Amino acid sequence: AQSVTQLGSHVSVSEGALVLLRCNYSSSVPPYLFWYVQYPNQGLQLLLKYTSAATLVKGINGFEAEFKKSETSFHLTKPSAHMSDAAEYFCAVRRANSKLTFGKGITLSVRP
Amino acid sequence: NAGVTQTPKFRVLKTGQSMTLLCAQDMNHEYMYWYRQDPGMGLRLIHYSVGEGTTAKGEVPDGYNVSRLKKQNFLLGLESAAPSQTSVYFCASSLFRDIVPYEQYFGPGTRLTVT
Repeated sequence: AQSVTQLGSHVSVSEGALVLLRCNYSSSVPPYLFWYVQYPNQGLQLLLKYTSAATLVKGINGFEAEFKKSETSFHLTKPSAHMSDAAEYFCAVRRANSKLTFGKGITLSVRP
Repeated sequence: NAGVTQTPKFRVLKTGQSMTLLCAQDMNHEYMYWYRQDPGMGLRLIHYSVGEGTTAKGEVPDGYNVSRLKKQNFLLGLESAAPSQTSVYFCASSLFRDIVPYEQYFGPGTRLTVT
């Protein structure tokens, strides 16, 4: 069964610091992977997706993620955190019938 | 385009009451989904539909029923609400592409409290 693991539930960074949110997947076939962001009291919004076209995927708001098959990882990064990046982030893997399996999510806090 | 909309935004029910959550999308998507979001558990799939008139169970279907009479609408029903169904409910939709995975588009959510 395909699944994703997001270690930890909360990450806190200073404004301007590097953001690194980890996601590891388990899949018996090449996966399709997604990162979603959820701002307070809102629905989920797609940040970026990996569909095997390129291992380094650029998304919205300056985020990017690198697919590493050898490490079964799809970590999300942003070089310089902004206050507006404070949100909850979910990694997800596609299953049959376009269903998604989500990780438990990780909350990003940005300190001034 | 409004995208995915959900009605209502908030609701408080007493144990044993029933209600229906409405999801509507104007993107002509074939697939629609209902999730519940609980702290520390991510999103869990309740039911989904791959087309008008068809529905299927997800990971946590017990206590819920769904219907998809029209392509643009997907209804989630709670026949006899229980406190364990207190949650935030999200609807999502996506195109069907067998090879290229199109992302799911989410509604703003319905916050349900069962007392």
